[in-house]
Amino acid sequence: GESVGLHLPTLSVQEGDNSIINCAYSNSASDYFIWYKQESGKGPQFIIDIRSNMDKRQGQRVTVLLNKTVKHLSLQIAATQPGDSAVYFCAERSTGGFKTIFGAGTRLFVKA
Amino acid sequence: SAVISQKPSRDICQRGTSLTIQCQVDSQVTMMFWYRQQPGQSLTLIATANQGSEATYESGFVIDKFPISRPNLTFSTLTVSNMSPEDSSIYLCSSLHGGTDTQYFGPGTRLTVL
Repeated sequence: GESVGLHLPTLSVQEGDNSIINCAYSNSASDYFIWYKQESGKGPQFIIDIRSNMDKRQGQRVTVLLNKTVKHLSLQIAATQPGDSAVYFCAERSTGGFKTIFGAGTRLFVKA
Repeated sequence: SAVISQKPSRDICQRGTSLTIQCQVDSQVTMMFWYRQQPGQSLTLIATANQGSEATYESGFVIDKFPISRPNLTFSTLTVSNMSPEDSSIYLCSSLHGGTDTQYFGPGTRLTVL
């Protein structure tokens, strides 16, 4: 199967600060990108998505940035809260496809 | 949004036995997926399950080991056959909802094989 089988990198931020989680993707044919949040003992939860015809999309306290030139995706969380502590995964899907392939996750710790 | 439930939520099984995991979606969907997530790692796609057709397996996964059923548009099962400790993992069910392209996940089934 396809995945990145790495132990998770960790990002630790102070409550109230902004968080930036980065992700590199490998498939140039991918045109749809998603960020998921996974809390302990739960399945991944959709946060925000972006299509390849955009380079930025904003949601509530979250922003996703897409740089197709270097195949890089980032998730910015404003005013990070303790409830944001979780593992965050980027995922990609290619044109006309339906398989969502997950990248390596990042564990976010929010210090009170 | 969709609500997906899985049964069992967790199980401890003996080597050589099989476990069937059930997945129920609260709305009709064409595409369902099964993923495996080993501790501390990302999600790996096992197979895609469309109603009315055979499941499509990803490289490294075979039907004899992971038979899948998809009897209707709201339900699927994944069987982990002839289990070994290496099969200890979290198994996640997912559904893809057309129109929005949003993919939802169940809570997972945590499997431990002794």
